[in-house]
Amino acid sequence: ETGVTQTPRHLVMGMTNKKSLKCEQHLGHNAMYWYKQSAKKPLELMFVYSLEERVENNSVPSRFSPECPNSSHLFLHLHTLQPEDSALYLCASSQDFSNTGELFFGEGSRLTVL
Amino acid sequence: SQQGEEDPQALSIQEGENATMNCSYKTSINNLQWYRQNSGRGLVHLILIRSNEREKHSGRLRVTLDTSKKSSSLLITASRAADTASYFCATDAVQGAQKLVFGQGTRLTINP
Repeated sequence: ETGVTQTPRHLVMGMTNKKSLKCEQHLGHNAMYWYKQSAKKPLELMFVYSLEERVENNSVPSRFSPECPNSSHLFLHLHTLQPEDSALYLCASSQDFSNTGELFFGEGSRLTVL
Repeated sequence: SQQGEEDPQALSIQEGENATMNCSYKTSINNLQWYRQNSGRGLVHLILIRSNEREKHSGRLRVTLDTSKKSSSLLITASRAADTASYFCATDAVQGAQKLVFGQGTRLTINP
């Protein structure tokens, strides 16, 4: 198993659908992150969980709902999305949130909202 | 405002040449990191340089940090076609709610 695994790799959904992105890390890390990567924009941090508690929420619309049931798993629940939400969603993990060391990224979930 | 900005936005060179990418940032940092991203894939960590370090090497990579100029450079020597990717710098200055702030990246193309 690679360090950080994301599923699905590709997702197409309508604006009224409900779907979820899943991330799993096998590195024993304590912090997990969701990033959004849109074309020609810097990577945007969406959510951070440290030891299963949400510690950052960067004014993300409520149509994105994160869930961290344990330190190895992170979900991003999606509902009533907009076409501008189409992007590559990247999950990452790090040893700890308080120490800004290396981030380990998954391969990303490419989301297209029709 | 954005913390890290890479320059140039795009770079195209011949295989075997050296590639240099620059990153500028605005506030004091504890460390600066460089990441690589192949098209449509996740980011891969390349190197971390701390604010008290001036230069660091890893294989064909050489990173410099000038805290007085708030800038860093990534040099890839003897480039290969497989080095074709986007390269991002990331700094740990706290900016709003972000812990690690990424630049927009440099798109590097190595022509065989």
